[in-house]
Amino acid sequence: DGGITQSPKYLFRKEGQNVTLSCEQNLNHDAMYWYRQDPGQGLRLIYYSQIVNDFQKGDIAEGYSVSREKKESFPLTVTSAQKNPTAFYLCASTRSPFNEKLFFGSGTQLSVL
Amino acid sequence: ILNVEQSPQSLHVQEGDSTNFTCSFPSSNFYALHWYRWETAKSPEALFVMTLNGDEKKKGRISATLNTKEGYSYLYIKGSQPEDSATYLCAFHRTALIFGKGTTLSVSS
Repeated sequence: DGGITQSPKYLFRKEGQNVTLSCEQNLNHDAMYWYRQDPGQGLRLIYYSQIVNDFQKGDIAEGYSVSREKKESFPLTVTSAQKNPTAFYLCASTRSPFNEKLFFGSGTQLSVL
Repeated sequence: ILNVEQSPQSLHVQEGDSTNFTCSFPSSNFYALHWYRWETAKSPEALFVMTLNGDEKKKGRISATLNTKEGYSYLYIKGSQPEDSATYLCAFHRTALIFGKGTTLSVSS
């Protein structure tokens, strides 16, 4: 079955450590997105990519980095510069970045040790 | 950062009640308005993608309307059921989808 796979489901980060969240899709979608959810907040956009080898900052990109070397993959690295990384992270994709619905992964809960 | 506002933040209804939520968004440079349902322990799922002023969409007991000139959309649920309990998100499409904080619906049997 086609879909979006996020891993791991739970992740713990030590102070000063970089961690990478995986997002893979086999839907042949062009556009991929990373969102962050904090309690009481909506989904906030971190980064998005409309085509391979191109990506754009969202509203809260500071302290994060991404790559889009393959159409299927859009990993998110939470760097040590992100001072408040504890949150639920959702990856999503869509066939076209315009007027098409998003398909979401199951999310990764990141916590700081 | 443009704002997408949803109201109410949460509500609780009895089984069989009908209810509606509001999503407000910037009325300029409109591309599309999305509605998603997010059930606990699941991923958000798309309900509607609306692109035209005056658009009305329906999926079972759930329907939505769109007014792009004044910048709002309504989501209606007719005859709420316990399985309708979820957070309903709207999202405004510019270069990427910008989400509101959602309306959390709880339906008691």
